[in-house]
Amino acid sequence: DAKTTQPPSMDCAEGRAANLPCNHSTISGNEYVYWYRQIHSQGPQYIIHGLKNNETNEMASLIITEDRKSSTLILPHATLRDTAVYYCIVNPLGARWGKLQFGAGTQVVVTP
Amino acid sequence: NAGVTQTPKFQVLKTGQSMTLQCAQDMNHNSMYWYRQDPGMGLRLIYYSASEGTTDKGEVPNGYNVSRLNKREFSLRLESAAPSQTSVYFCASSEGGTTGELFFGEGSRLTVL
Repeated sequence: DAKTTQPPSMDCAEGRAANLPCNHSTISGNEYVYWYRQIHSQGPQYIIHGLKNNETNEMASLIITEDRKSSTLILPHATLRDTAVYYCIVNPLGARWGKLQFGAGTQVVVTP
Repeated sequence: NAGVTQTPKFQVLKTGQSMTLQCAQDMNHNSMYWYRQDPGMGLRLIYYSASEGTTDKGEVPNGYNVSRLNKREFSLRLESAAPSQTSVYFCASSEGGTTGELFFGEGSRLTVL
């Protein structure tokens, strides 16, 4: 399974866009990119996922490079409630989550 | 709409004591999982159940046992608790197909003295 690399932390001003990078240079053709976040002390929460096309939902946008070796999660208008640890994960299409590993993620702090 | 429910939310044990963490989901999901999270670290998979009647080891299974009681419930048992098992435990579930979305409970905070 592909591994991911994320910066350990980043700050963002409230109201600005937060761009969270993720490197997954060993990703296979059938592996999706998923993003989750974990707000302090709570269970992780699903945000978005994609294969090769850019994706958008009510929470965020996901931009995947053409070679699929990296991606960026965009929170368009960060709020204080977006302060959380964000996890980038790759998982094969249709695979169970049994072998999946969550890394250390990126601690995002949104400041007023 | 409860989603994934874990009990208890907090527990303090003495070394050598046993206990069971309970997890139930009401989404008719096939797959269920137990993770642990230590301070400042990501989640590590302990055990998972791909479907009712099956269980498999994850990354850190030593010291734990699990039971998939039925499709809704997946329990985690510590037979002889050790201080190294002090952690926050999360249960999760998923359809197991192509949706890729894991639904997590709120966590169970366990302290072993």
